[in-house]
Amino acid sequence: QVQLQESGPGLVKPSETLSLTCTVSGGSISDYYWSWIRQPPGKGLEWIGHIYYNGSTKCNPSLKSRVTISGDTSKSQFSLNVSSVTAADTAVYFCARVSNYGDLDHWGQGTLVTVSS
Amino acid sequence: SFEMTQPPSVSVSPGQTARITCSADALPKQYAYWFQQKPGQAPVLIIYKDIERPSGIPERFSASFSSSGTTVTLTISGVQAEDEADYFCQSEDSSGIVVFGGGTKLTVV
Repeated sequence: QVQLQESGPGLVKPSETLSLTCTVSGGSISDYYWSWIRQPPGKGLEWIGHIYYNGSTKCNPSLKSRVTISGDTSKSQFSLNVSSVTAADTAVYFCARVSNYGDLDHWGQGTLVTVSS
Repeated sequence: SFEMTQPPSVSVSPGQTARITCSADALPKQYAYWFQQKPGQAPVLIIYKDIERPSGIPERFSASFSSSGTTVTLTISGVQAEDEADYFCQSEDSSGIVVFGGGTKLTVV
């Protein structure tokens, strides 16, 4: 069974860069797309972007200028950087696998990142 | 931009049928998906490829398309107390950008 686990700082200062890593276990990172999604407290889901195992990426246009997604297949990990964060970036950040049918079929438990000085 | 609209809340009594709609100006050719999210937990996929149910998802969860192609509906038959949760629809626009509906809080009263 594929499992995903997000890791990274839970507190980031305004204007700094938010950095998270998702570690995949129980399955291969190859041949799949891997996504980042976030959810501000009490609000809905927002897709941030995804990366294919070969390194190609696609990001939400609303965040594109601040988001970088990268991967390390040797470690079965992929990462998210969001630059110049503000309080509006406070959210639970999830990583998820995109199945061959295009659905987000496996999710990490999520990690809360708070932007505050 | 492509948006998917859901009612903020739906209330239903135990044993009744809940219907949660998800509307767009024009649903793209991409598939629609549905997720269930309980407080403090990650979303769980309950419908994929428009109408398919992943293994382990009860048969009381089903989905359908309107004839106009602008609305997808999640139907929960014989609602149980454990079905109380937030439900999100999701699809992609023509450029592959993933879009979520705003979510619907299902209350079992």
